[in-house]
Amino acid sequence: GENVEQHPSTLSVQEGDSAVIKCTYSDSASNYFPWYKQELGKRPQLIIDIRSNVGEKKDQRIAVTLNKTAKHFSLHITETQPEDSAVYFCAASITGANNLFFGTGTRLTVIP
Amino acid sequence: KAGVTQTPRYLIKTRGQQVTLSCSPISGHRSVSWYQQTPGQGLQFLFEYFSETQRNKGNFPGRFSGRQFSNSRSEMNVSTLELGDSALYLCASSQQGGTEAFFGQGTRLTVV
Repeated sequence: GENVEQHPSTLSVQEGDSAVIKCTYSDSASNYFPWYKQELGKRPQLIIDIRSNVGEKKDQRIAVTLNKTAKHFSLHITETQPEDSAVYFCAASITGANNLFFGTGTRLTVIP
Repeated sequence: KAGVTQTPRYLIKTRGQQVTLSCSPISGHRSVSWYQQTPGQGLQFLFEYFSETQRNKGNFPGRFSGRQFSNSRSEMNVSTLELGDSALYLCASSQQGGTEAFFGQGTRLTVV
């Protein structure tokens, strides 16, 4: 089955700096790559996703890049704010949102 | 529109017992997926149900089972509980062909 690795496990940045989280996947058939944000005690929520026919996608301060050849994808958050502090999970899937294989998460702390 | 609802929110069970968790998806969503979340392993896919049929299955032992009813509500059952089954169990619903999985608040299971 699919195996997703995520790095780093923890990340601390100063407010206003950028944060980058990287993931690799093993199954070349995976074609859907979402990112979820989970605040303490809350449910995971989708923040951005990308399909394998696209190399980059942006949504305001958040961007995701995908390198199919190398089988890795990354989340970029610019101008970080304290409310960005949370655990971020990457995921990969062959079939879509119904069957996600997650990385082990990155705890992002934005220091005011 | 009501979100994904999971019941109960908390459970304490003894080793060897069995437990049933319930998930009511967003109205109109026919796919329900289950995940186990632990601090060390992150979110791991258990299985997915669509139209009352198990469509995808993760790498968990047969003690973990599920079912889906005609109204798309789903239940997950764990038999012969082990200490290692202590976790947050999340369900997520999505539309057929949808690109977002909507998560419930989860059921926190503690096995003592």
